[in-house]
Amino acid sequence: DIQMTQSPSTLSASVGDRVTITCRATQSISNWLAWYQQKPGRAPKLLIYKASSLESGVPSGFSGSGSGTEFTLTISSLQPDDFATYYCQQYNSFPWTFGQGTKVEI
Amino acid sequence: QVQLQESGPGLVKPSQTLSLTCTVSGGSISSGSYFWTWIRQHPGKGLEWIGYIYYSGSTYYNPSLESRVTISVDTSKNQFSLKLSFVTAADTAVYYCARGLTTVARWGHFDLWGRGTLVTVSS
Repeated sequence: DIQMTQSPSTLSASVGDRVTITCRATQSISNWLAWYQQKPGRAPKLLIYKASSLESGVPSGFSGSGSGTEFTLTISSLQPDDFATYYCQQYNSFPWTFGQGTKVEI
Repeated sequence: QVQLQESGPGLVKPSQTLSLTCTVSGGSISSGSYFWTWIRQHPGKGLEWIGYIYYSGSTYYNPSLESRVTISVDTSKNQFSLKLSFVTAADTAVYYCARGLTTVARWGHFDLWGRGTLVTVSS
């Protein structure tokens, strides 16, 4: 299985900060990577797919980049609604696997 | 708009079979544009993909669960279902149903999720 490792596990930030989360894969996954946002008690929400494609309806302050084994999710200016846990997910090969999550907190 | 809703028992005894159903409303499960999947999240933990089904009935399961998992589809009811046999406390989790696009170069990301249902395995 491809293991996905996110860093950091927890990130303390303030409104207006630029935030970057990293996701690393144990082998190349090309650009078959998605990012999700999850708030407590809620289902994950798709933000980014194919490493850098913004899902419809997602604010433009979110962006993704990377290919191969290293990827980043960037929030250009953190908004109050952005405090949540973020997960990366590879779908290059089965089984599809997720990172352990990055909690963005105040 | 399309919505997914999980349903099923919230408590299952060890060694029994966990059975959940996902009802798709506002759209047809028979659309070839989507696949339908189950994902779970252990309490306070990350996400684990369980398997997917296409409306035709073709499936693919996570090898870690494959020996205990069956995913089926009922197009007449616009539902798909999960059965997980011989459950233990380690199967206690929130179970989500979700949808993914097939009209892309590579299947595998999930654009619509149900709200999730907590299943506890306990005697």
